[in-house]
Order: sequence, then C-alpha cells, then structure tokens
Amino acid sequence: GQQLNQSPQSMFIQEGEDVSMNCTSSSIFNTWLWYKQDPGEGPVLLIALYKAGELTSNGRLTAQFGITRKDSFLNISASIPSDVGIYFCAGQLIQGGSEKLVFGKGTKLTVNP
Amino acid sequence: DAGVIQSPRHEVTEMGQEVTLRCKPISGHDYLFWYRQTMMRGLELLIYFNNNVPIDDSGMPEDRFSAKMPNASFSTLKIQPSEPRDSAVYFCAISTPSSGRTDTQYFGPGTRLTVL
Repeated sequence: GQQLNQSPQSMFIQEGEDVSMNCTSSSIFNTWLWYKQDPGEGPVLLIALYKAGELTSNGRLTAQFGITRKDSFLNISASIPSDVGIYFCAGQLIQGGSEKLVFGKGTKLTVNP
Repeated sequence: DAGVIQSPRHEVTEMGQEVTLRCKPISGHDYLFWYRQTMMRGLELLIYFNNNVPIDDSGMPEDRFSAKMPNASFSTLKIQPSEPRDSAVYFCAISTPSSGRTDTQYFGPGTRLTVL
C-alpha cells in the first residue's frame, strides 16, 4: 500500500526559530494535507494543498505541494511555545472508488521558551 | 474536534471482552471515518462510510472488528473478542457537505482503549 515517509521524527528548537519538515512518497497523491495533534486530542487540519506546485500559507505556516506530486513540506516561522505538538502529513489518493487518506508517522515538535 | 463526540474517552477491558466504541457527529456530514492510532503504526484508516454505507473497509484488521452506521448521527466500532494488541487510540472523523471534499476531515477527541 501507499506509504508516506515523514521527517524528521522529532525536533527540539528554541522559541523564535523557523522549522521545516517534509513528507515523501513513492506514490503520486491528488491532495496533500498537514495536521497538528495536541496531547489527548484528535488531529486538526492546518493546510490543504490541491495542485502540484501549490504554495499555501496559514499565518506563520507555509506548505507546498511538490511538483512531482510525491512530496510536500511544511514550514513554521518564528516558532512559539504553543506550536508544540505532533505534525502529520497526509496524502489522498482517489483510486478504485476509495478516497482514503494515508498519514505519515508524524514529526514531534518541542519548542523551548 | 469540532463536530464529533466520541464515547467513552477511555476504556480499560480484559482480553476476550467485547468492546464497543461510539461516535456521534454533531454537525452535518456525508462521510464518516474510523481510524486507529498506535506508536508503531501511526494513524491508520480502518473503515469509512458515505451516507451511512460502508465504502472501504480494507483497513479493518480482522473479523474481530466490525463497524456500523445505523443512521447519519451515530456509528459504532465493535471489537469482539478484544486482544491486548488492539490497545490504541481510536478516532472518528467526518467530512462535511459544505467542504465537498473527503480530504477535509474533522476528528473527534478519540477513545483510548487498553486491553489487559
């Protein structure tokens, strides 16, 4: 089945630093999404990307849909303590009547004040 | 977790017992998804419904797992009999008609299941 390779697995940064994480796959996806999960909560959608090459921002977050449709990255600028959490990439492949999402294993972000 | 109530939030049971997890969408939707999250395997789709009809159950691990959606406001995920390896956090998610897309999913808070 389709798999997403997300890196890095974890990051420890100082408040104010910029952060970058990415996802790659051997499969082509129609849609790339980025979610954030806080402890004890379900994932929350941050950004959705629908076209190859698309660059989308949501506040301090910026994400891009790779030209090959096999990768995506998420950048967080000027990190703050509330950015702490686990970030997941997800890809959607519409195939054979199914529209399921495939998730990466996540990047755990720690921000030191 | 906008729009989805899950119950119970925590469940501890013994191996061999039947477990029923519940999902109640608050807002309108046409798709409902059940996911399982573990440290080893991450977030995996188990099954999803469109207008109460199961569309893709290829992620259901084995016959011990079953899911139903008797109406648009309620879904259950049942494990019978449960095993320790079923211990995980189970999420219900929905996508809303207004988005027109199945990729824009809203997750519930999850049920943490521990099978002893």
